[in-house]
Amino acid sequence: QKEVEQNSGPLSVPEGAIASLNCTYSDRGSQSFFWYRQYSGKSPELIMFIYSNGDKEDGRFTAQLNKASQYVSLLIRDSQPSDSATYLCAVKTSYDKVIFGPGTSLSVIP
Amino acid sequence: DTEVTQTPKHLVMGMTNKKSLKCEQHMGHRAMYWYKQKAKKPPELMFVYSYEKLSINESVPSRFSPECPNSSLLNLHLHALQPEDSALYLCASSQERRAQGTGELFFGEGSRLTVL
Repeated sequence: QKEVEQNSGPLSVPEGAIASLNCTYSDRGSQSFFWYRQYSGKSPELIMFIYSNGDKEDGRFTAQLNKASQYVSLLIRDSQPSDSATYLCAVKTSYDKVIFGPGTSLSVIP
Repeated sequence: DTEVTQTPKHLVMGMTNKKSLKCEQHMGHRAMYWYKQKAKKPPELMFVYSYEKLSINESVPSRFSPECPNSSLLNLHLHALQPEDSALYLCASSQERRAQGTGELFFGEGSRLTVL
């Protein structure tokens, strides 16, 4: 079992729609959870982090964490073509390593 | 603008060359990281320094040699690399590695390495 898994892409949504990205992790003792956005040829950029169960909202982005289900998600509301990128879920595990999932490629169609 | 600066942005080297990648951060962070990223793959952890001491080595081949001269600088010395080592090498920093509720990594723009 991989440590961090994400829903397979690519994911295509029309402009203005909600994009839903999912992530599961295997280490139940994981402490912190992050979403990074990576444009082609660029480095990852942190867009959200969450430590506690529940929802965390920042502008058009909402991160959701359910530690009992070992599940993290990212919702992007009012998706824009500029949101087209690869979204990487990252988990800080109980042994203090930040491990990345394989990424989900999102394409927002104008 | 990123506050983690990596040089050079691009590097082409032969298998017998010795080169170094450099990383500098000015955020007062005490943990610094090297990740390797191949095309269409996620970043893969190589090394972690915490308070200038090597705390994690993910069984990286000895042809990669990290160095942390001070809390702001991180180097990756390269020697006798193979073509399969061609990748984007990402440096990152975070506030502290072990502190509860932290761990956000801030990445530099990366150094794209090609080994001929």
